[in-house]
Amino acid sequence: EAQVTQNPRYLITVTGKKLTVTCSQNMNHEYMSWYRQDPGLGLRQIYYSMNVEVTDKGDVPEGYKVSRKEKRNFPLILESPSPNQTSLYFCASSLGSTYNEQFFGPGTRLTVL
Amino acid sequence: AQTVTQSQPEMSVQEAETVTLSCTYDTSESNYYLFWYKQPPSRQMILVIRQEAYKQQNATENRFSVNFQKAAKSFSLKISDSQLGDTAMYFCAFMNPTNIQGAQKLVFGQGTRLTINP
Repeated sequence: EAQVTQNPRYLITVTGKKLTVTCSQNMNHEYMSWYRQDPGLGLRQIYYSMNVEVTDKGDVPEGYKVSRKEKRNFPLILESPSPNQTSLYFCASSLGSTYNEQFFGPGTRLTVL
Repeated sequence: AQTVTQSQPEMSVQEAETVTLSCTYDTSESNYYLFWYKQPPSRQMILVIRQEAYKQQNATENRFSVNFQKAAKSFSLKISDSQLGDTAMYFCAFMNPTNIQGAQKLVFGQGTRLTINP
């Protein structure tokens, strides 16, 4: 089944404790992206990647890191999480050509205490 | 920068009624794409319908249709014969294909929480 998977689905952590949210897709998609969803703000892009070893900042990259060592994986790293990073996070992927549908993962609910 | 505005935070209708969700956007581009996504309580993002700006004909997908007014920069979603399963958060989104980042970046509105009552 074609899908985007994220782990964990739920995470509660404390300020400053490094964490990684994994994202994997099995569709051989070139383009991958991370969004965060906050009430009243919709979804906003954090980082994106157009292919292996090619990543760039989105609209809200502060406090986040990403890597793309393999085509299928695009982990989101929070080196020192803070309470303002409490949010719902989505990974998405697409073939990369214009107008291709973006497929979203199931979301990760992160709470930073 | 492009912006997308959904002015209705919440809406509620009775089952089988027709409901229209509003969306406006701001862009200086002439070629772009617009989308409506549905997010049910499961939180999964589901593509409902999409519209290419260069197409004058409004997109339709079964009970879902859009009213695309390019000059007014308006992109509303109409749900006919609403069903309980339509209860969800609905997001309007914009994509600008004219630059490398924009070609795959979705700019979302704030969302409209739609409740279908039995």
